[in-house]
Amino acid sequence: GQQVMQIPQYQHVQEGEDFTTYCNSSTTLSNIQWYKQRPGGHPVFLIQLVKSGEVKKQKRLTFQFGEAKKNSSLHITATQTTDVGTYFCAGPRGATNKLIFGTGTLLAVQP
Amino acid sequence: KAGVTQTPRYLIKTRGQQVTLSCSPISGHRSVSWYQQTPGQGLQFLFEYFSETQRNKGNFPGRFSGRQFSNSRSEMNVSTLELGDSALYLCASSLDGATNGYTFGSGTRLTVV
Repeated sequence: GQQVMQIPQYQHVQEGEDFTTYCNSSTTLSNIQWYKQRPGGHPVFLIQLVKSGEVKKQKRLTFQFGEAKKNSSLHITATQTTDVGTYFCAGPRGATNKLIFGTGTLLAVQP
Repeated sequence: KAGVTQTPRYLIKTRGQQVTLSCSPISGHRSVSWYQQTPGQGLQFLFEYFSETQRNKGNFPGRFSGRQFSNSRSEMNVSTLELGDSALYLCASSLDGATNGYTFGSGTRLTVV
């Protein structure tokens, strides 16, 4: 079963509103990765965070890795309709680092 | 550079049959991972191959198997298909595994009837 949980499962916002999804792992992660999957598409790699407390920005997207390296967040400022999709976090698990994906957050943006 | 190529894109099979899916990773990538995606279960890890060896395995029955060839191309096989095997099967390649980001293929949509 899933060992990386994301909340919320679903978020509906008006265009221009902000959006945040949270990712929580039961164990410490060596890195956290974020992916976006558009409806009908496949996951696309967005970013990787490695350091405790790390914050990275990509235009309107801000990614944060928690101090304990067990949680992460993705914040989108002023959402646009192009932001629609499911956002997944993922982290390596186990001795041989298989990449396990979170449960995902589906973002719907109303124009 | 060319992306990750998965074939076929769509498949319809009957219960009890077997199926083989193919994945060609990005040139130079030695790690290939397979995932099953369904609406109810999200992205479930099947297995990872690295340099022709299975390095990781998920919690799927033995009906699911895979292999990797010397050119890093990978195949996965599902025998004795069940209705519940209907899903999008995604292949992802990376340089050396989960320490780097994965590049996904477009997937194979398998429908079992």
